[in-house]
Amino acid sequence: DADVTQTPRNRITKTGKRIMLECSQTKGHDRMYWYRQDPGLGLRLIYYSFDVKDINKGEISDGYSVSRQAQAKFSLSLESAIPNQTALYFCATSDSTPTPATDTQYFGPGTRLTVL
Amino acid sequence: AQSVAQPEDQVNVAEGNPLTVKCTYSVSGNPYLFWYVQYPNRGLQFLLKYITGDNLVKGSYGFEAEFNKSQTSFHLKKPSALVSDSALYFCAVTPRAAAGNKLTFGGGTRVLVKP
Repeated sequence: DADVTQTPRNRITKTGKRIMLECSQTKGHDRMYWYRQDPGLGLRLIYYSFDVKDINKGEISDGYSVSRQAQAKFSLSLESAIPNQTALYFCATSDSTPTPATDTQYFGPGTRLTVL
Repeated sequence: AQSVAQPEDQVNVAEGNPLTVKCTYSVSGNPYLFWYVQYPNRGLQFLLKYITGDNLVKGSYGFEAEFNKSQTSFHLKKPSALVSDSALYFCAVTPRAAAGNKLTFGGGTRVLVKP
């Protein structure tokens, strides 16, 4: 979805380096999510944010931190990258309006991160 | 905790033949169910969802899925597959009563449609 952008699209880094992945959206949604994708494991939730002041850990938050700088921006940081954090990372957004039609999450194009 | 199983890592089908991608789920209470598709080097795209009502849900690109509560399944189907349907497909679930919509995804099924 072009309304959700991620930078960088690809990144190669070394063990121990600090890395930040950025996500921006123009959909006006208040909810944002970070997932990682590993082959055969599907997508697993790292962190999610229901608004600027509401940030929550997902199922695999260890080794990661996030910052919600504005409604439209949600960054994921790896404070000290390790090789098993090599994965494809996706940002997603959704609308909090409590009707079923708006439960859909919209995904960015992904960031492929390799930690050597 | 909720979970999703996609028992087939890959499905091969000839163009023009019916396509089925299987999904079963486990969740407390009633579920919201979703199918997403991922094309190479792209993010996930929403295909369809089941919220309530008719068990047969129609979505994008000619896909449909049938919710079966007794079998806790939500299989994705397309009557006549196209080569362009070759992609990675994900089933996802969230409990209807959950505060927010944190999706739990299956491991994905790769579909290969041969000409």
